[in-house]
Amino acid sequence: EVQLVESGGGLVQPGGSRRLSCAVSGFTSSTYAMSWVRQAPGKSLEWVSAIVGDGSSTYYADSVKGRFTISRDNSRNTLYLQMDSLRAGDTAVYYCAKRAGYFDWSPFKWYFDLWGRGTLVTVSS
Amino acid sequence: QSVLTQPPSASGTPGQRVTMSCSGSSSNIGSNGVSWHQQLPGTAPKLLIYNNNQRPSGVPDRFSGSKSGTSASLAISGLQSEDEADYYCAAWDDSLNGPVFGGGTKLTVL
Repeated sequence: EVQLVESGGGLVQPGGSRRLSCAVSGFTSSTYAMSWVRQAPGKSLEWVSAIVGDGSSTYYADSVKGRFTISRDNSRNTLYLQMDSLRAGDTAVYYCAKRAGYFDWSPFKWYFDLWGRGTLVTVSS
Repeated sequence: QSVLTQPPSASGTPGQRVTMSCSGSSSNIGSNGVSWHQQLPGTAPKLLIYNNNQRPSGVPDRFSGSKSGTSASLAISGLQSEDEADYYCAAWDDSLNGPVFGGGTKLTVL
């Protein structure tokens, strides 16, 4: 079955760190760019970060640049998001999402065709 | 404030046709394709429409999309109770070098 399964969420104190994982199954993950998208409680979706198929290039939203690091281990079919210097505003459900059809991160025929079920990160003291 | 603008709510009765809009700018919808995602309560988003008007396999033809200039629309015909969900539009933004989303439209089936 083609699916993405996130894990690693939980309660974190402000200024703390957390690493999220996304396990990929049912397709060869190295073939596609992958991304993290978050959704704060009661709010819309916000793109966070992306990584190309071989992990050689990464991209970040301004809101997390310098604090979050995306990576992938294609031998383990797993995507990661290392989150440091967490703030209350980072509280959200974090989804991993697959870019349809392409290895790179570009606007050419861009869209997400597969989402995970998400993992909740709560930043609070 | 979301980059793409969607009405916060829409409603219809079973069997009816409803439409919802998504407004952007020249740096996103005006120059790139639009996708639509359905989020049922408590679940992950699911792709409904891509490249403005294409349906993935398994999505009923009751769902259709269109785009004109810097705006896009999603139409649902033959409305069913299971269509009650949040609907999000998305498009690549050339200024952000990544995707932007609408604020979402909550569809209620009366």
